[in-house]
Amino acid sequence: AQKITQTQPGMFVQEKEAVTLDCTYDTSDPSYGLFWYKQPSSGEMIFLIYQGSYDQQNATEGRYSLNFQKARKSANLVISASQLGDSAMYFCAMREGGFTGNQFYFGTGTSLTVIP
Amino acid sequence: SQTIHQWPATLVQPVGSPLSLECTVEGTSNPNLYWYRQAAGRGLQLLFYSVGIGQISSEVPQNLSASRPQDRQFILSSKKLLLSDSGFYLCAWSAQGKVFPLHFGNGTRLTVT
Repeated sequence: AQKITQTQPGMFVQEKEAVTLDCTYDTSDPSYGLFWYKQPSSGEMIFLIYQGSYDQQNATEGRYSLNFQKARKSANLVISASQLGDSAMYFCAMREGGFTGNQFYFGTGTSLTVIP
Repeated sequence: SQTIHQWPATLVQPVGSPLSLECTVEGTSNPNLYWYRQAAGRGLQLLFYSVGIGQISSEVPQNLSASRPQDRQFILSSKKLLLSDSGFYLCAWSAQGKVFPLHFGNGTRLTVT
């Protein structure tokens, strides 16, 4: 089974609107971390936001927030007030705890295009 | 602060030639180190990771190998490149523990001709 599933290969959003990128995960480990990365066309991978499995509140970083629904095993990224520079690939990732915590599992990514 | 350097940025190599990509991390000790490959328009494929000097875990059997001769140095090698080795190679590091993210280098675009 896939550890991380991103079901939206491509998304479009109007500039200044909010957009939600979906991510579901699969793990039996009670201790894990969830991460979102942005990859612009230049190729660099930029870390955006982190959510821990025991965190009670949803993580926020500027215009990025993570809608964490533990029972549903989902960790959707919300980008508010989209900007043209937000056009990029976005990857969801998970890191499990314990002695297996060295591996990161990535989804296949969502390509976001912001329309002026 | 911690930085990661990866070079070269681009590389064009003929089939059958050797490969050596190098990655170094500054500003931290005993990092976990990773090599990923990304085919055009695709997701990330973990190739190797290392939790310490000389300790290499291989995720995908292929003609690539990795070495960690020093604590903060990670090298990806091949004796004979294949056309299928073309792609975007990313080195990354992370601290131990589930709360720490991966930090990536700028990547190497490898084209095997």
